[in-house]
Amino acid sequence: NAGVMQNPRHLVRRRGQEARLRCSPMKGHSHVYWYRQLPEEGLKFMVYLQKENIIDESGMPKERFSAEFPKEGPSILRIQQVVRGDSAAYFCASTGQGIETQYFGPGTRLLVL
Amino acid sequence: GENVEQHPSTLSVQEGDSAVIKCTYSDSASNYFPWYKQELGKRPQLIIDIRSNVGEKKDQRIAVTLNKTAKHFSLHITETQPEDSAVYFCAASRDYQLIWGAGTKLIIKP
Repeated sequence: NAGVMQNPRHLVRRRGQEARLRCSPMKGHSHVYWYRQLPEEGLKFMVYLQKENIIDESGMPKERFSAEFPKEGPSILRIQQVVRGDSAAYFCASTGQGIETQYFGPGTRLLVL
Repeated sequence: GENVEQHPSTLSVQEGDSAVIKCTYSDSASNYFPWYKQELGKRPQLIIDIRSNVGEKKDQRIAVTLNKTAKHFSLHITETQPEDSAVYFCAASRDYQLIWGAGTKLIIKP
């Protein structure tokens, strides 16, 4: 759905650098999900956040990865000290309170050289 | 926890024929079942969904059926067209988290 925004759409990083991926949910939505997708594979859940709260981060690696959704501004997925294996498409999706349908952003394609 | 299995992984049908994709789930408490279509290089987009209090839902050429007893649900696409070529994902949800199937690559042969 065009309402969920992600930037950048493409991001190239060298090994060891940091990657910051941003997601602005659809207007009125306060829940954000981050997914990772490798080529020819399915969607892998990473983290679920509400404003100022991490609800479920069970799918996110314990090291190098972090996520936040501040009171103001977009949700951010941060990957520190990137490695080649982090290359993937990262999608965020948003929902509203009591709404189950997830609406996806266009994704950020991360390439680690 | 919930587990969703999706079959087949690849489906090739002649244009104009029907396509059926099946999913099974393990958690009997799951109550929401969406289907998403993802074209190459694009985002997943919801095409149809069904809740556990309904057995079937239809939207033009697309229909979804749910069998709660057997814990499976299916996507039916009739009169397939070239633009139906994509990867289709099923999912099941009880609370906030969608558990996803692995996807079905649908190929429409001209």
